Amino acid sequence: GENVEQHPSTLSVQEGDSAVIKCTYSDSASNYFPWYKQELGKGPQLIIDIRSNVGEKKDQRIAVTLNKTAKHFSLHITETQPEDSAVYFCAALGYSSASKIIFGSGTRLSIRP
Amino acid sequence: GAVVSQHPSRVICKSGTSVKIECRSLDFQATTMFWYRQFPKQSLMLMATSNEGSKATYEQGVEKDKFLINHASLTLSTLTVTSAHPEDSSFYICSAMEGRGYTEAFFGQGTRLTVV
Repeated sequence: GENVEQHPSTLSVQEGDSAVIKCTYSDSASNYFPWYKQELGKGPQLIIDIRSNVGEKKDQRIAVTLNKTAKHFSLHITETQPEDSAVYFCAALGYSSASKIIFGSGTRLSIRP
Repeated sequence: GAVVSQHPSRVICKSGTSVKIECRSLDFQATTMFWYRQFPKQSLMLMATSNEGSKATYEQGVEKDKFLINHASLTLSTLTVTSAHPEDSSFYICSAMEGRGYTEAFFGQGTRLTVV
């Protein structure tokens, strides 16, 4: 089955700087890669997603890149703000996972004022 | 995005009792619903997948007789934790998907279960 690895587990950046979180996946048939933001005591919220027919997608300060050959995908947050502090999860979904969204282990992002 | 409502948000129960958690898709028909469990500072662990009108598919190691899942309609799935024990205390999260794969999944706000 699908396995998703995520790094780093914790990340602290100065407000205004960029943050990058990286993930790798094992199932080459996976073709949908969402990113979720989870605040304390709440369910995950989708912040951006990318499909395998696209290499990059951007939404204001958030961008995601996908390298299908290497089975890597990354989240980039620019001009970080205090409200970006949360836990971020990457995920993958594909044929062999039978519609199941498999989550990475999460990254706790802290923005220093 | 679409809204998934999960209820209750918090519940405390005594050991040996059963607890039911509801997950509703408010503005779309959820062909597929998922139930996750999350321990503190850990990722979401998929417990089971349910399709409307059919039996849930449980992940390896999840006791189907303990975690009863019912997906009786396209807008409602329930998770019942039977004969709860303190080790069942956790954060339970549901999600709903309109199609069968490759579409966005919407998450509920989670239920904090504490078994005393």
